[in-house]
Amino acid sequence: DADVTQTPRNRITKTGKRIMLECSQTKGHDRMYWYRQDPGLGLRLIYYSFDVKDINKGEISDGYSVSRQAQAKFSLSLESAIPNQTALYFCATSDFMGSETQYFGPGTRLLVL
Amino acid sequence: AQSVTQLDSQVPVFEEAPVELRCNYSSSVSVYLFWYVQYPNQGLQLLLKYLSGSTLVKGINGFEAEFNKSQTSFHLRKPSVHISDTAEYFCAVSALGGYQKVTFGIGTKLQVIP
Repeated sequence: DADVTQTPRNRITKTGKRIMLECSQTKGHDRMYWYRQDPGLGLRLIYYSFDVKDINKGEISDGYSVSRQAQAKFSLSLESAIPNQTALYFCATSDFMGSETQYFGPGTRLLVL
Repeated sequence: AQSVTQLDSQVPVFEEAPVELRCNYSSSVSVYLFWYVQYPNQGLQLLLKYLSGSTLVKGINGFEAEFNKSQTSFHLRKPSVHISDTAEYFCAVSALGGYQKVTFGIGTKLQVIP
């Protein structure tokens, strides 16, 4: 079984709809992240969390919110989706031992019409 | 603040030829450096990383990278590529000390031509 799972893997939604992307991990890591990937822009950090009580904004948090329900679960919400949020979304985890290696989920491809 | 520049967005190379993917970084403090690979329809996975010590780092699948502090570079190399190496490669940097955000480059698409 994969260490980092994301659901759904693909989603099509309409402008204005609320949508939630979910991430679960079995690696036992405290740190979790949400990124979006756009062609030509690489990966950009949306939100990150160091533990259940710690949530931090990344470089592109506007229009997004997150919830850390447990050490293993970190959800990303688009409160009112817009076409500009069409992208590939990745969840990642890390266990800070001085190296910050990140472990990525398979991604969620989101299309906002 | 730190930044990463991947100088080539796409690199076509014939099978069994050598390849170098270039990465330069900018940071006012010491850094950790990473290369990640993304195969089609998959998430990123770590290829190799430089933390300290030897400047030549060996990774999975025959890849290696050399940290050059004076040129602020961390170029990725493989002496002979295979079709299966076709993927997108991301260079990343994070500063030492406490939590430091990892900054990714925009990626280089390696296309191996049969």
